[in-house]
Amino acid sequence: EPEVTQTPSHQVTQMGQEVILRCVPISNHLYFYWYRQILGQKVEFLVSFYNNEISEKSEIFDDQFSVERPDGSNFTLKIRSTKLEDSAMYFCASSVRGLSNQPQHFGDGTRLSIL
Amino acid sequence: GEDVEQSLFLSVREGDSSVINCTYTDSSSTYLYWYKQEPGAGLQLLTYIFSNMDMKQDQRLTVLLNKKDKHLSLRIADTQTGDSAIYFCAEGGNAGNNRKLIWGLGTSLAVNP
Repeated sequence: EPEVTQTPSHQVTQMGQEVILRCVPISNHLYFYWYRQILGQKVEFLVSFYNNEISEKSEIFDDQFSVERPDGSNFTLKIRSTKLEDSAMYFCASSVRGLSNQPQHFGDGTRLSIL
Repeated sequence: GEDVEQSLFLSVREGDSSVINCTYTDSSSTYLYWYKQEPGAGLQLLTYIFSNMDMKQDQRLTVLLNKKDKHLSLRIADTQTGDSAIYFCAEGGNAGNNRKLIWGLGTSLAVNP
C-alpha cells in the first residue's frame, strides 16, 4: 500500500541552525500538510499546500518556517533559525483532494531535537 | 475555538471490548476521524465517519456518533495486545478545501493479557 515517507527519522540540531525536514507524499496525492506534536501536547496543524502554494497556515507557521515542493515527489519543511521550542515530532500528510471525505495519510514523523 | 477532548488512559483485558470516547466543539465538522499511533510509529488512519451517519462498522471497529451531543466513540471488539497504542480523535470541518485536522490529546490504550 502506498505510504508517506519522511526523512530523517530523527534530527538533532543546534539552536539557531537551519533544518530541512523531507517528505515524499503518496504519488497521486495533490494536497500536502505539515503538523507537529510537542511532547505531551496535541498534534497541531502548521500548513497546507496545494498547486505549489500555501493554502492555509496556522499562527505557529511564522516567517521562520517555509515549505517547498522542489520537484515532483518531495515536499519539504524548512525552519530557518531553530529555537528550543521547535523541538517536536513533525508529521507530513497528504490527501488525494482537500475535501474532508478524502482522509489525510501520515508519515512516521521526524523527531526534531534542538540543543 | 475548535477543540477536541479525549480521556487520556484506558486499560482493558485481552478479549474484552474497548470504548474510547471523544467530544468536539465544531458543529460544522463534516467528518470525524480515528487515528492510531503505535510506539515509535506514525499516525495510521483507522476509520472515519461522515457527520450525517450515526454509526459505522468496520470489522472489529464500531464508530458511534452523537451529533447532538458532539460525542464520538470508537469501540474495539475482542481487544488484542496488538491493539495497545494511542488513539487520536480528530475532526475536519467544512470550510472549503485543504481542511486542517483538529486533534484530541490521544487516549493511551493498554491491553492486559
